[in-house]
Amino acid sequence: EDQVTQSPEALRLQEGESSSLNCSYTVSGLRGLFWYRQDPGKGPEFLFTLYSAGEEKEKERLKATLTKKESFLHITAPKPEDSATYLCAVQSFDQTGANNLFFGTGTRLTVIP
Amino acid sequence: DTGVSQDPRHKITKRGQNVTFRCDPISEHNRLYWYRQTLGQGPEFLTYFQNEAQLEKSRLLSDRFSAERPKGSFSTLEIQRTEQGDSAMYLCASNGAGYTFGSGTRLTVV
Repeated sequence: EDQVTQSPEALRLQEGESSSLNCSYTVSGLRGLFWYRQDPGKGPEFLFTLYSAGEEKEKERLKATLTKKESFLHITAPKPEDSATYLCAVQSFDQTGANNLFFGTGTRLTVIP
Repeated sequence: DTGVSQDPRHKITKRGQNVTFRCDPISEHNRLYWYRQTLGQGPEFLTYFQNEAQLEKSRLLSDRFSAERPKGSFSTLEIQRTEQGDSAMYLCASNGAGYTFGSGTRLTVV
């Protein structure tokens, strides 16, 4: 069965203090790993999709990386507007998971000015 | 392309009542998904449509839940005889090159 574990559950950073969020996963065959940002009361907003170990993607202050067991979301010099919950999800080649995303519980990031 | 639209944004209902939510996906996306999210949790998959065909249903989707997508355009999710445990955010997503989520419908059952 697919499993996604995100850590830490919550993270408080000073503005400009870089850090990383972790997403550990177990799937029968990884079709894709997704990162989303979610603001309170809103739907998840797509950030990145990673498909194979060694792949990296960047967008502004965010960089996502992927290994065979985990993914990291690196946040460089964060700003208060980066405060949100960051969700990781996997899509597997397994028959029951091929058509949907399996989400972790998220990391709630707070960036203090 | 105005994204995925969901209506209503908020719904408060009494236990035992029926409720229906609507999702309008991105027009060129033929895949549509419903997810449910409770406080502090990630979204959980409920059901999936390709065009008008409902191809997959989660075991979370009890007999009180039904979803339709007539003509492969908008979709509706109906919950019959609502229970307090149905209180959650109901999210719709459509998929072209990636999964795009709507803003959700927040259901509160009192």
